[in-house]
Amino acid sequence: QQQVKQSPQSLIVQKGGISIINCAYENTAFDYFPWYQQFPGKGPALLIAIRPDVSEKKEGRFTISFNKSAKQFSLHIMDSQPGDSATYFCAASNTPPGGNNRLAFGKGNQVVVIP
Amino acid sequence: GAVVSQHPSWVICKSGTSVKIECRSLDFQATTMFWYRQFPKQSLMLMATSNEGSKATYEQGVEKDKFLINHASLTLSTLTVTSAHPEDSSFYICSAEQGQSYEQYFGPGTRLTVT
Repeated sequence: QQQVKQSPQSLIVQKGGISIINCAYENTAFDYFPWYQQFPGKGPALLIAIRPDVSEKKEGRFTISFNKSAKQFSLHIMDSQPGDSATYFCAASNTPPGGNNRLAFGKGNQVVVIP
Repeated sequence: GAVVSQHPSWVICKSGTSVKIECRSLDFQATTMFWYRQFPKQSLMLMATSNEGSKATYEQGVEKDKFLINHASLTLSTLTVTSAHPEDSSFYICSAEQGQSYEQYFGPGTRLTVT
């Protein structure tokens, strides 16, 4: 059972455009929502994460929007660059006290930024 | 900061042999580390959660006698694939949880090919 669902599966964006990737989750106990970027043959890199007490978080060109009532969150990549071409994974977890933060990952979105 | 390394980055072994993969947190102490497996163009599958000084917790369907995990110190966890077979060929990635932040930082991955 997929706990976190991503859409679209792949995305092609023009350089300078905005890339938007969406995620939906089922478990209302989830309280931590990170986005990871992965290049081929490399491990995922943490981009940005959000908790349900805020609706938006911005770090540089990356913004997370969070809608608790709809159980959805999205990643916006502003001014997309060819170097942003990668696979993006959303994840979610219920953070227990003391650690052991087991993440549930989405299937991933491949983003291609064309010059 | 928050750098995680893995060694080796790739390994080829013969069927029936065992392979050990190391995961180190270089600039922080990690009470909890995680081991994932990733097939080409697929998401990350959590195999086990490793806590320093205690036995690992394996996800359903993961053979604990085949995938031995040891977390001997706050900066080192190892995964040993015992009696490897071609179906064990995959990309193995570890992550380390940084303190109470719940943020997980991933290693660069180890490509295992069993011939």
